[in-house]
Amino acid sequence: DAGVTQSPTHLIKTRGQQVTLRCSPKSGHDTVSWYQQALGQGPQFIFQYYEEEERQRGNFPDRFSGHQFPNYSSELNVNALLLGDSALYLCASSDYKGTNTGELFFGEGSRLTVL
Amino acid sequence: LAKTTQPISMDSYEGQEVNITCSHNNIATNDYITWYQQFPSQGPRFIIQGYKTKVTNEVASLFIPADRKSSTLSLPRVSLSDTAVYYCLVGDPTDSWGKLQFGAGTQVVVTP
Repeated sequence: DAGVTQSPTHLIKTRGQQVTLRCSPKSGHDTVSWYQQALGQGPQFIFQYYEEEERQRGNFPDRFSGHQFPNYSSELNVNALLLGDSALYLCASSDYKGTNTGELFFGEGSRLTVL
Repeated sequence: LAKTTQPISMDSYEGQEVNITCSHNNIATNDYITWYQQFPSQGPRFIIQGYKTKVTNEVASLFIPADRKSSTLSLPRVSLSDTAVYYCLVGDPTDSWGKLQFGAGTQVVVTP
C-alpha cells in the first residue's frame, strides 16, 4: 500500500520563476493538505483540497495556488518565487469520511531552493 | 486553535524514559491533543492522540490531567532512533481537521 508520494524531491529555482509540486495521496484518501516548512521551524498550513475545491486556507499570499484532480492527486503552484519561499513543502492526505481523528499522513516532501 | 508551549529541546540516554510536557491553557471543550514525530528531511508522523486521562499505544503514552490544560507525552525506554522533533497540537478534529497548527516542537536527542 503506497503512502503519500511527492515529486520532485529536490529542485532549484531562481527568483521570479514559477514552480509546480505534485502529490499523490495515500490509497483510499480523498483529501490533500499542503504545508510549508522552513528550516528549523514547524510546518505551516498552506491550504487543503477536497472534492477538487480549496476548503481551507492558511495565511499565505495568492502566489500560492493549488489544484486537485479527480483521482485525488494534487498540485501546489507558487508564482513569482521569492528567496523566502525556500523550504520543504509537505503534502498530507486523509480520508474525509473517516474517523475524523485528525490523523494526517505526510509525504517526505519536496525541497525547494530559490536562488 | 489553542496555542501550545513545549520545551525547545530535551536530551536523554538510551533506555531511559522521556517525558515531554505541553501546555495548552486555552484548550476548548471539543479539542483533542495530538502528537507528531518528525525525523530530518521527512514528513511528520502521527504518534498518539487523546482527549482526557491516559492513552497508550505501542509507541507512547499520553497523560492528560483533569483540567486538560497540559499533557505529557511519555516515550518508554528510548533508543537512538527516537531522536527526532516532537510536536504537540491541539484542535477539534472535526473542525480544524486537515489544518494542523504546528509550533516549533521539541528536539529530543538520544545518546548512547
